[in-house]
Amino acid sequence: AQSVTQLGSHVSVSEGALVLLRCNYSSSVPPYLFWYVQYPNQGLQLLLKYTSAATLVKGINGFEAEFKKSETSFHLTKPSAHMSDAAEYFCAVNRDDKIIFGKGTRLHILP
Amino acid sequence: GAGVSQTPSNKVTEKGKYVELRCDPISGHTALYWYRQSLGQGPEFLIYFQGTGAADDSGLPNDRFFAVRPEGSVSTLKIQRTERGDSAVYLCASSREAGTYEQYFGPGTRLTVT
Repeated sequence: AQSVTQLGSHVSVSEGALVLLRCNYSSSVPPYLFWYVQYPNQGLQLLLKYTSAATLVKGINGFEAEFKKSETSFHLTKPSAHMSDAAEYFCAVNRDDKIIFGKGTRLHILP
Repeated sequence: GAGVSQTPSNKVTEKGKYVELRCDPISGHTALYWYRQSLGQGPEFLIYFQGTGAADDSGLPNDRFFAVRPEGSVSTLKIQRTERGDSAVYLCASSREAGTYEQYFGPGTRLTVT
């Protein structure tokens, strides 16, 4: 069954540095993949989604992710971190009509 | 327009009590999903509705949990004989229809069972 694994429950980067959050998926069929963000005391918000069109997907707030079938990965990146990016990030995959979430990675931004 | 709303935002109850959690989806969204998020975990699927019917309830942990959506809009998640392990944030999401995968989440209800 489809699932995702997020590597690193906590990631710290300096303000202005590259953000890289890792996600690997497991799927027997071509998946749909997602990144969601959860700011403190707020609901989940969709950052971006991959639905088998372009392998490089651009999302909101300057984030993007690249689908790499050979590596079964869908890592999230942002060239330059901002303090407002501090949040919990969840990678997710579709299973039937549901979305299955990873355990999340908390991103800390160091001044 | 209005997003997904959930009430109450916080609920504290005693072990063994019954609770109801309400979700108001975005108007016109036919699919509605319930998730449970425990501390330090990602959202865990519980059940989803397409219209009034539960299309998939495979995530409900046991028969103490039940959900309804009688008119295809508002949904209520019901938990009987609550246990301390039920303490979590319960999230609701809606989408235009099932399978579109663009789900819009509410802020959640934090349930604490003492």
